[in-house]
Amino acid sequence: DGGITQSPKYLFRKEGQNVTLSCEQNLNHDAMYWYRQDPGQGLRLIYYSQIVNDFQKGDIAEGYSVSREKKESFPLTVTSAQKNPTAFYLCASSSPRLNTGELFFGEGSRLTVL
Amino acid sequence: AQSVTQPDIHITVSEGASLELRCNYSYGATPYLFWYVQSPGQGLQLLLKYFSGDTLVQGIKGFEAEFKRSQSSFNLRKPSVHWSDAAEYFCAVAYSGTYKYIFGTGTRLKVLA
Repeated sequence: DGGITQSPKYLFRKEGQNVTLSCEQNLNHDAMYWYRQDPGQGLRLIYYSQIVNDFQKGDIAEGYSVSREKKESFPLTVTSAQKNPTAFYLCASSSPRLNTGELFFGEGSRLTVL
Repeated sequence: AQSVTQPDIHITVSEGASLELRCNYSYGATPYLFWYVQSPGQGLQLLLKYFSGDTLVQGIKGFEAEFKRSQSSFNLRKPSVHWSDAAEYFCAVAYSGTYKYIFGTGTRLKVLA
């Protein structure tokens, strides 16, 4: 079945460490997104990518980095510069060429900084 | 700035009662509108979407929503709520030619047996 796979589902990090969250999709979608979710704040856009080897900052990109070397993959690195990284992270994709417009989401990764 | 408002943070209804979740968006251009549902610790699942045409759209799980341009609203409704509908619901908007989706802060639904 087609879908989006995020890993790990749970991740614990010590302060000062970088961590990378994986996102893989087999939907053949061009666009991919990373959102951060905190209680009561909805979803906030971190980065998005419309095409391979290109990505743009979202509303809260500071302290995060991404790469898009393959169409299927859009990993997110939470760096030590991110001041409050404990959150639920959601990866999503969409296929504007098909004009469906909706986002498809992975199951999320919960990052806890100890 | 473009924004989506979900004025109700929490809603509690009895099983079998009707439900309406409110959503308003701020920007006047023709929007693409979505409702998503999220169970605890899970990703978001699309309930329904509006792009154009009939302003009353039907979705999965018996949900429907009505687009009212004059009120900049896209409220979600269900005539009879089931206990399994307890979850958090998010309204979202996107605009043609952009890749940005704007989400509301969500409404958490509790269903009483």
